[in-house]
Amino acid sequence: EAQVTQNPRYLITVTGKKLTVTCSQNMNHEYMSWYRQDPGLGLRQIYYSMNVEVTDKGDVPEGYKVSRKEKRNFPLILESPSPNQTSLYFCASSLSSGLAGSYNEQFFGPGTRLTVL
Amino acid sequence: AQSVTQLGSHVSVSEGALVLLRCNYSSSVPPYLFWYVQYPNQGLQLLLKYTTGATLVKGINGFEAEFKKSETSFHLTKPSAHMSDAAEYFCALDMDTGFQKLVFGTGTRLLVSP
Repeated sequence: EAQVTQNPRYLITVTGKKLTVTCSQNMNHEYMSWYRQDPGLGLRQIYYSMNVEVTDKGDVPEGYKVSRKEKRNFPLILESPSPNQTSLYFCASSLSSGLAGSYNEQFFGPGTRLTVL
Repeated sequence: AQSVTQLGSHVSVSEGALVLLRCNYSSSVPPYLFWYVQYPNQGLQLLLKYTTGATLVKGINGFEAEFKKSETSFHLTKPSAHMSDAAEYFCALDMDTGFQKLVFGTGTRLLVSP
């Protein structure tokens, strides 16, 4: 089954304890992205990757790191989590970034609910 | 800067009634527009999209939306609500820069009563 998977689905941690949220897709997609969802703010992009070893900041990158060493994986790293990073995180992927006039749908993972105490 | 505004954080309808979820956008260039649905404890699923061509687009589960450039709107409708439509709905745009940067609205939770 074609899908985007995220682990863990739920995580409670404490301030300053490094954590990684994994994201994996089995569709051979080039483009991957991380979003956070907060009440009243919708989804905001954290980082995205156009392909292996190509990543760039989204709208809210502060406090996060990413890497793209393999096409299928795009982990989100919080080196020193803080309570303001408590949120629902979504990973998404699409076939490619798309040329103008040609749009490839983004497929979303099930989400990771993170609580930082 | 581009933005998406969804009017009403909550919309309540009765089963069988018309569903209307409002979305207005602001963009310096004609954007691509999308509606996503999020069921409880699930990720986002694409309902429908407008890229080019016909301005009335049909999606899954009987939903449709009309792109109105003059009104900068992309409202989502369904003639008859079903209990299973209860979910959160997000309108989003992409400015077609090639970077697939989706800008989301704040979401509208649809409540369907029997």
